[in-house]
Amino acid sequence: EVQLLESGGGLVQPGGSLRLSCEASGFTFRSAWMAWVRQPLGKGLEWVATIKHDGSEKYYVDSVRGRFSASRDNAKDSMSLQMNSLRAEDTAVYYCAKEVRPLSGAFFDSWGQGTLVTVSS
Amino acid sequence: EIVMTQSPATLSVSPGERATLSCRASQGVSDNLAWYQQKPGQAPRLLIYGASLRATGIPARFSGSGSGTEFTLTISSLQSEDSAVYYCQQYLNWPPQETFGQGTKVEIK
Repeated sequence: EVQLLESGGGLVQPGGSLRLSCEASGFTFRSAWMAWVRQPLGKGLEWVATIKHDGSEKYYVDSVRGRFSASRDNAKDSMSLQMNSLRAEDTAVYYCAKEVRPLSGAFFDSWGQGTLVTVSS
Repeated sequence: EIVMTQSPATLSVSPGERATLSCRASQGVSDNLAWYQQKPGQAPRLLIYGASLRATGIPARFSGSGSGTEFTLTISSLQSEDSAVYYCQQYLNWPPQETFGQGTKVEIK
């Protein structure tokens, strides 16, 4: 059974930093493209970042590019999202998700339970 | 960016009745379309991918159809446990730029 467990969320001031982690089990993590998807409370879903299975390629939504950085440690079946220069509009539940990438784009076949990030003074 | 628009925003259906949810893409995405179900306090769950293929373990009452810009998710006989928000998502682009619709809330009448 695929399991994804996020951690690291919390309250941070505008301009601050936070690092989210996602621990994976139940599948071959080193072969999987992975993603972060966020959801402001009571609102819809937004893809945030994707990282290739070997960590050599990373992609970001325009609104976080240059502020967020995805990474992974395949030896530990884990990935992280370093979030810098946080803004109020980054407040959301952040999910890690396993991608299925049939051709160019990807859908998400497994999701963690999410971790809440609140950016507020 | 491909914009996904879902309708209606809220759908109220009696148990055993059919629920039909719509999703429209601002440009053609072929069959690169997925549907997710999200219940309160839970993560999304993949229902449909490739516009019409059911994910593992998804009941047969859920079906997807469409191609290009117009897509439909049908719940053939609504059960109480189907009360949730349903999202469509396109996955056409490279480099990645996956986008979701704003969701349709399905309520049990």
